[in-house]
Amino acid sequence: DSGVTQTPKHLITATGQRVTLRCSPRSGDLSVYWYQQSLDQGLQFLIQYYNGEERAKGNILERFSAQQFPDLHSELNLSSLELGDSALYFCASSGRTAPGEQYFGPGTRLTVT
Amino acid sequence: AQSVAQPEDQVNVAEGNPLTVKCTYSVSGNPYLFWYVQYPNRGLQFLLKYITGDNLVKGSYGFEAEFNKSQTSFHLKKPSALVSDSALYFCAVRALYSSASKIIFGSGTRLSIRP
Repeated sequence: DSGVTQTPKHLITATGQRVTLRCSPRSGDLSVYWYQQSLDQGLQFLIQYYNGEERAKGNILERFSAQQFPDLHSELNLSSLELGDSALYFCASSGRTAPGEQYFGPGTRLTVT
Repeated sequence: AQSVAQPEDQVNVAEGNPLTVKCTYSVSGNPYLFWYVQYPNRGLQFLLKYITGDNLVKGSYGFEAEFNKSQTSFHLKKPSALVSDSALYFCAVRALYSSASKIIFGSGTRLSIRP
């Protein structure tokens, strides 16, 4: 158990809809990262937050947004969903003592029908 | 720009034999290198990392990795493979002294250990 939790575990929704994925980092970790893993694209970095502020941005679509709240949990919002957004979405966290050493949650499997 | 390459999509090894999963990287400055493993239906798990010091790094589950600066490689190794090592392995790199630098993951190598 990495200490990172993600909800929900599975999500099935229709094209055009909007969903919110939630992540709670390990206790004490200030950084949260979001990744998308699909069969054809591998593991794609989406965005990083550090203590509530956006720190780095990767291949995140404009239809996607994220935020980190004062209690350090993070949410990834996906809107105007398309079939191609079906993937595993992982959250990871890291701390100041071992920057870059990330601890991954179990993931949310999103299926868009 | 940072990049990492895992040239093999799949590596097949017989149980008990040594295994190597290859990784090469490109980064400005000194690299911060990682290996992660992903078992089916699970998130990635940290295996080991290289920052500075000894070029041979030991990690979890008997894995080790060798940093080679001249070849810009960070190959993952294990002297004797187990069937339970079968999983997807990711190499990752980050510029060491850049806090704003994000970690780049390789495309992954599927390791299959046959009994």
